[in-house]
Amino acid sequence: AQKITQTQPGMFVQEKEAVTLDCTYDTSDPSYGLFWYKQPSSGEMIFLIYQGSYDQQNATEGRYSLNFQKARKSANLVISASQLGDSAMYFCAMRPNTGNQFYFGTGTSLTVIP
Amino acid sequence: DGGITQSPKYLFRKEGQNVTLSCEQNLNHDAMYWYRQDPGQGLRLIYYSQIVNDFQKGDIAEGYSVSREKKESFPLTVTSAQKNPTAFYLCASYTGGMNTEAFFGQGTRLTVV
Repeated sequence: AQKITQTQPGMFVQEKEAVTLDCTYDTSDPSYGLFWYKQPSSGEMIFLIYQGSYDQQNATEGRYSLNFQKARKSANLVISASQLGDSAMYFCAMRPNTGNQFYFGTGTSLTVIP
Repeated sequence: DGGITQSPKYLFRKEGQNVTLSCEQNLNHDAMYWYRQDPGQGLRLIYYSQIVNDFQKGDIAEGYSVSREKKESFPLTVTSAQKNPTAFYLCASYTGGMNTEAFFGQGTRLTVV
């Protein structure tokens, strides 16, 4: 069974500080991809970052980085230098490479405080 | 510009009525998906299609139906059998590559009145 767990329903961070959003996953597939999406109040889903299960290095995209710990099955998102516009819901997702299904966590609501 | 278009953005339905949500993509993606989003529950898969004229049920398919007659289009019908249809519906597509993400439409908010 495939499962994504996000244990933080809500998080607060001071503007310009870094924040880590937690994500753990469960899969029996040896090869998979991990994704993070941002959903502002408008509802659109914005792709942020991708990590492949065989990638040796942690993925980075601008202020976003993914702290990938394969043995612990965790894929935490780190946002550096938080901005007010980062306030949104954040979803972790996984896609086993044996199929085309994406599995999503329940999301974390991030609020950036000025 | 390539992308996914969902329409309408807001939809109101009377109880007992069927309603169809539109999803069109011009990304030439083979796979398309419908998700339902409720507060605190994340995205739950309703139906997905990997190729024209073929689709599979997701985790919460009861009360919903889909068709995939064209590669570009994957409409979702919310039938009167769906007991609690008020939700935010998201359509997505995916090219099938190993390290590529799913692309999403802007969503449709359905309210039963």
